[in-house]
Amino acid sequence: GNSVTQMEGPVTLSEEAFLTINCTYTATGYPSLFWYVQYPGEGLQLLLKATKADDKGSNKGFEATYRKETTSFHLEKGSVQVSDSAVYFCALSRGRDDKIIFGKGTRLHILP
Amino acid sequence: ETGVTQSPTHLIKTRGQQVTLRCSSQSGHNTVSWYQQALGQGPQFIFQYYREEENGRGNFPPRFSGLQFPNYSSELNVNALELDDSALYLCASSTMTGMFDGYTFGSGTRLTVV
Repeated sequence: GNSVTQMEGPVTLSEEAFLTINCTYTATGYPSLFWYVQYPGEGLQLLLKATKADDKGSNKGFEATYRKETTSFHLEKGSVQVSDSAVYFCALSRGRDDKIIFGKGTRLHILP
Repeated sequence: ETGVTQSPTHLIKTRGQQVTLRCSSQSGHNTVSWYQQALGQGPQFIFQYYREEENGRGNFPPRFSGLQFPNYSSELNVNALELDDSALYLCASSTMTGMFDGYTFGSGTRLTVV
């Protein structure tokens, strides 16, 4: 069945460091891929998405590229801030008529 | 444009009781999905409602049931609560018509079963 695997956390970085959170997926067809962020005590916010191979999603300095050949959607940011501390979820969906399948989440701590 | 709103934000129930959680979808959205997020885990799909009918269900027992109303808002009902039902319950809205722009999540209802 369809699934998402992302790197386990917690990930701890210093402010202004480069961030990569790995995500790979298993799916039939051509799913849409998402990164959601969850700040403490809050629900999920869509960070970025990509709907087809080679698409790059970007938002707030974060980027991820839909790689069909490696079934990956790694999240990157060139210079993290303390305010980026949160839990990040990689997810996929085959479309509006389908559920979202989430990874287990990666907790990110940014030290000042 | 209003987002997804859920109520209540927190509640505590006793094992065996019943609970109803509520969700108002984002303006322009006609589909509501419910997810259960246990502590330290990713959200798990419970079910989706479209046109007031269940339109897909995850691996949850029948004591988890739902409703969608003509204004697209929705309720999640859980009967015979168990301790393992303690979780954050998230509602997400989307649209089955027009351009699909993904899902908008509410802030969730944190349910504690004691």
